[in-house]
Amino acid sequence: GESVGLHLPTLSVQEGDNSIINCAYSNSASDYFIWYKQESGKGPQFIIDIRSNMDKRQGQRVTVLLNKTVKHLSLQIAATQPGDSAVYFCAEKKSGGYQKVTFGTGTKLQVIP
Amino acid sequence: GAVVSQHPSWVICKSGTSVKIECRSLDFQATTMFWYRQFPKQSLMLMATSNEGSKATYEQGVEKDKFLINHASLTLSTLTVTSAHPEDSSFYICSASGDRGRGEKLFFGSGTQLSVL
Repeated sequence: GESVGLHLPTLSVQEGDNSIINCAYSNSASDYFIWYKQESGKGPQFIIDIRSNMDKRQGQRVTVLLNKTVKHLSLQIAATQPGDSAVYFCAEKKSGGYQKVTFGTGTKLQVIP
Repeated sequence: GAVVSQHPSWVICKSGTSVKIECRSLDFQATTMFWYRQFPKQSLMLMATSNEGSKATYEQGVEKDKFLINHASLTLSTLTVTSAHPEDSSFYICSASGDRGRGEKLFFGSGTQLSVL
């Protein structure tokens, strides 16, 4: 079946550096994409989302880029902090609140103080 | 932001017993709720989708008679793991999709760690 996958299972970055987490998706019908952060023993926390009619969206210290041509998503975290250490999931869905969300495999971000 | 409350946070039970997990949307009406299961160091796997007042839709490979889902109101959905066995030990997470004003966002509960002895 179609799935969302990640290129890097673990990413280690120095505190203060920028982090880039990548994701590939395969369902061409998806038109809404989300990045979640999950800390150990907790539920996923919404970070940022983007619709398929956009290429880039910025939030506070985070930017999501969408390349529909190659079905690729990335999450950029500026000035990475120790509190950013977590597992990050990309997710995709079709529009509609009743539509299910499919999660990627996840990337563990380790911030080195 | 919207709040989804999940209870209990963790539960330990004996093999063969049933466990009920509650998921509540505290400040919005959740027309659709989703139940996920997550094993250690793995991603979230959707188990079922439930809409208020109707039967849940289960993903392929998920036993509907083992994982009973009830979405009786717009603010409460429950997942009952019946006759639990050690292989059912996992982290169960609910999420809720709300009314039009909430858009596409999916709000997650804090999860329930189930350990079956």
